[in-house]
Amino acid sequence: LAKTTQPISMDSYEGQEVNITCSHNNIATNDYITWYQQFPSQGPRFIIQGYKTKVTNEVASLFIPADRKSSTLSLPRVSLSDTAVYYCLVAYYNAGNMLTFGGGTRLMVKP
Amino acid sequence: DVKVTQSSRYLVKRTGEKVFLECVQDMDHENMFWYRQDPGLGLRLIYFSYDVKMKEKGDIPEGYSVSREKKERFSLILESASTNQTSMYLCASSLSTSGYNEQFFGPGTRLTVL
Repeated sequence: LAKTTQPISMDSYEGQEVNITCSHNNIATNDYITWYQQFPSQGPRFIIQGYKTKVTNEVASLFIPADRKSSTLSLPRVSLSDTAVYYCLVAYYNAGNMLTFGGGTRLMVKP
Repeated sequence: DVKVTQSSRYLVKRTGEKVFLECVQDMDHENMFWYRQDPGLGLRLIYFSYDVKMKEKGDIPEGYSVSREKKERFSLILESASTNQTSMYLCASSLSTSGYNEQFFGPGTRLTVL
């Protein structure tokens, strides 16, 4: 059964680096991992997507180890405006293109 | 910018009513999705469509149906609304089925069934 899990909540302080890990069992070699950010009363917004090893863009990095059973979203030097819920999404192609979101991680950034 | 719009931000219906939630995207995307979002459960896929008149069941299709008569429009139908369908409903679209493409979400419809 394809399952995507992540911590329910995390706290951090402004200026710190935040790492949020997502576990995804039964991930196949051609499955992508995508992270979304959601603010209250808005739909989720794309942050970053990866397939293997490391991907970096202007807002985040995504680390995927060789076994691909987990992945880590890294937010450098968070600010108060990064307070949001972060979702991991895995597209399990070997399970019939099943798109499975994790339950979301509520990140609270404190001053 | 891609824009995904949903017909209502808030909706209140009574048990047993037929409910239509409409979603429109303006970027000629092939794929469209309907999710429901509940506290502690994250987003769960109800149905998705990869082409006009095509649909696939997601994780929780029971009690729902969908319609995609035009490429830009994807409708979610609750044939007989029940109180356990009170939730936030999110529509999304993505470009194609080759590889996996970024999903663009609408603002959501908060449905309350009394």
